[in-house]
Amino acid sequence: QVQLVESGGGVVQPGRSLRLSCAASGFTFSSYGMHWVRQAPGKGLEWVAVIWYDGSNKYYADSVKGRFTISRDNSKNTLYLQMNSLRAEDTAVYYCARGAVAGTGLDAFDIWGQGTMVTVSS
Amino acid sequence: DIQMTQSPSSLSASVGDRVTITCQASQDISNYLNWYQQKPGKAPKLLIYDASNLETGVPSRFSGSGSGTDFTFTISSLQPEDIATYYCQQYDNLTTFGQGTRLEIK
Repeated sequence: QVQLVESGGGVVQPGRSLRLSCAASGFTFSSYGMHWVRQAPGKGLEWVAVIWYDGSNKYYADSVKGRFTISRDNSKNTLYLQMNSLRAEDTAVYYCARGAVAGTGLDAFDIWGQGTMVTVSS
Repeated sequence: DIQMTQSPSSLSASVGDRVTITCQASQDISNYLNWYQQKPGKAPKLLIYDASNLETGVPSRFSGSGSGTDFTFTISSLQPEDIATYYCQQYDNLTTFGQGTRLEIK
């Protein structure tokens, strides 16, 4: 079935780095734009980044620009989020999500992973 | 950046009630507006896309309307399993979520 599974979360000290992965299955991964969305404890949803189906375009929220990098490996059906210079305010559950219409991903998010928790603390 | 303002932030209603949530965009977003349901500890679930289209498999008691800057999400007859937080999302200019509406049973 169509599925997204995140991994790579954990506890990390401020200023350090972490890489999240999102493994896709059950659909043609290389045809869809993909997103990262995060949710701080007890808070709402915050969009983080998007990458187009072919990796040709990437966009970021201002809160992570210059620190986070979204990428994908279509041969491995995997989405990544490289997070550098982590701050306490980056503590959140990180979800990967698929854009519903093949292409840029700039539409509804129809498939979501279960999320992976990132805690930034000394 | 486009700001999305949802109201109310929380809502208490009885089973069988008609429930309405509104979402206002800071600028015209046409119909580029989606609605999600999130239950505690779970990922969000897409309910309505392009302002008024029901996602496959979603019960018909859920509906959406609006265009431009003002949008409405409605549950025609509240069921116990509808207890959740609901979010609107614009995708006219990248994407932004509303702050959420927590729905509780009275």
